[in-house]
Order: sequence, then structure tokens, then C-alpha cells
Amino acid sequence: DAGVIQSPRHEVTEMGQEVTLRCKPISGHNSLFWYRQTMMRGLELLIYFNNNVPIDDSGMPEDRFSAKMPNASFSTLKIQPSEPRDSAVYFCASSPLHRGLDGYTFGSGTRLTVV
Amino acid sequence: QKEVEQNSGPLSVPEGAIASLNCTYSDRGSQSFFWYRQYSGKSPELIMSIYSNGDKEDGRFTAQLNKASQYVSLLIRDSQPSDSATYLCAVIPRSGGYQKVTFGTGTKLQVIP
Repeated sequence: DAGVIQSPRHEVTEMGQEVTLRCKPISGHNSLFWYRQTMMRGLELLIYFNNNVPIDDSGMPEDRFSAKMPNASFSTLKIQPSEPRDSAVYFCASSPLHRGLDGYTFGSGTRLTVV
Repeated sequence: QKEVEQNSGPLSVPEGAIASLNCTYSDRGSQSFFWYRQYSGKSPELIMSIYSNGDKEDGRFTAQLNKASQYVSLLIRDSQPSDSATYLCAVIPRSGGYQKVTFGTGTKLQVIP
């Protein structure tokens, strides 16, 4: 298996632009997680899905952030409009349902820079 | 008070020494605890999980849990330069379900050859 695939690896955009981050989970993993990592706040859970259904989005910082999972093999995290404080590394992770962190696999991350 | 606290470091130890990494958590009902290693520019990778009070050993790594003191630690014996990384403590609090994880901000470890 190729693991959790995220794209793009790096994204540089101007303030106010829309940004879309993409994630393909491992085949057969029913749970998908989006995290944001910054030096100040560390790794924060933004939202997670079970069987394509959003379960908890309480970590999404503002209405500018939205996430979708239209099918079992694809998820997006969108920021519109983007702001410089959104600059961070965004990780996607997937796991089999009911495995928790023991079954996690993280993607390589997307480094977002908003200028 | 942060839910999961770690000293940011850097913690510098000589090669061959024991590195001791510490983590405290605020939710007394937390049941699941994990240590992740993250190399610079890479994604986190799971080292160990621990669920019961006491020690759990895996090779050169030992995780220690003390629920009464709300404290979890990771010991790395015979530290190697390849152990130089940031170590993240992760806790699943009692509230929020088994999937809602809180990570500490990490401790940077430097092993000096």
C-alpha cells in the first residue's frame, strides 16, 4: 500500500485566496483525520470522519475552514479566504475504525504558507 | 492549563546515555497514552502505547505511566544520534471518545556523538 497520500506537498498562496488540501487514505481505513501543526500550538485535531461522515469538527478554527469526504478514498480541507496565520503543516491520517491511535498512519503533510 | 504538557527542550544527551522525556496531562480520567517520534520535516510515527500503570518496554524504549500523578514518560537507553528528533506525547482524554486525541507540543531531543 502506498500509505496516506497528501497533495500538494507545499503550497504558497496569497492572503485572501482559496486553498484546497487533498488526502487519499489507506484503502480499507474507515476513519480519516485532519490535523494542523504549528510551533506554538503543536499538533491539533481539526476534524475527523468515520465512514465518510464528519463526527467531530470542534477543532476547526473558523468558518473559513471546511472539510469534505465525498467517498471512502478522498477528502479535502478547504480554507477560504486564507490568512497568514493559517500558515502551518497540515497532516491527514487514517486508521481502521475502532483502532484509535494504534492504527494511525499519517500522510507526509502539506506545508502551507500564506503571504 | 494545557491538556498535555511537555518541556520543549532541546534536551541534549551524549551518545550512549539514557534520555528521559516527560509528559503531564490534565484529564485524570484519561486511559490511553502514546509516544510519537517526529523527524524534522517528516510526519509523526508511533513508538509506543501504554494503557496501564507501570512500565512497558520495547527494545531500547521504555514507557512509564503513573495515573495518580498524571504523568507519562519515555526512556531511551543507549541513545543514538539517529534518535535525535522531536518526541510527541499523545493522550486520549476521558471525554470526547476514543478517537479524539490531544498531542503535546513535543520535546526536541539532541543526541551528541
